[in-house]
Amino acid sequence: SDEVTQPPSVSVSPGQMARITCSGDGLPQQYTSWYQQHPGQAPLLVIFKNNERPSGIPARFSGSSSGTTATLTITGVQAEDEADYFCLTTDSSATSFFGGGTKLSVL
Amino acid sequence: QVALRESGPALVRPTETLTLTCTVSGFSLSATGMCVIWVRQAPGKALEWLARIDWDDVKILKTSLRSRLTVSKDDSKNQVVLTLATVGPVDSGTYYCARMPVTDSYAFDFWGQGVQVTVSS
Repeated sequence: SDEVTQPPSVSVSPGQMARITCSGDGLPQQYTSWYQQHPGQAPLLVIFKNNERPSGIPARFSGSSSGTTATLTITGVQAEDEADYFCLTTDSSATSFFGGGTKLSVL
Repeated sequence: QVALRESGPALVRPTETLTLTCTVSGFSLSATGMCVIWVRQAPGKALEWLARIDWDDVKILKTSLRSRLTVSKDDSKNQVVLTLATVGPVDSGTYYCARMPVTDSYAFDFWGQGVQVTVSS
């Protein structure tokens, strides 16, 4: 299946840990990347190849993948982390799929 | 430094063909492993992957749009062109191009700012 599922929303208090999941049958065979999108802005890559962080992305962002679920973890959430987050996978035919997106609210 | 910039019409009439151009700088479209992808986003909705064109001119299109979608590139002009035929209101949204180095990050590491397109008569 090419469907990738994310929870619509996650809420945390500042300083807490946020976990956003991405589920799909194809994930064990595919790399997952994660994108942060603030309103009115282009997406920003925050995690690639399941758990690698691009230069310039704070260390509080981390990724993991196990079985059919990939997880983006933000440790010590800050107010500026409030945004939409999208996971992405690419299958063996080079077709990419985004998850439906998760709105992270920092209460 | 790497940069991508989308350009195209802000308004397109229903049934017409939408043509968007992605002009890149700071990298070569013909460099081994370099790909450019197109993504769109309807207002308030999720990102939707549309197409990819590789350094060797291999093209991959979203299955459900394959009959209406084409992608091409001109290495000498550093441009990638996306066309979407027979547009309708559901094709309205912001269209982005991004870079995808498959031999490096295998992710969309640099994005354009997007171009907003409205399909309306």
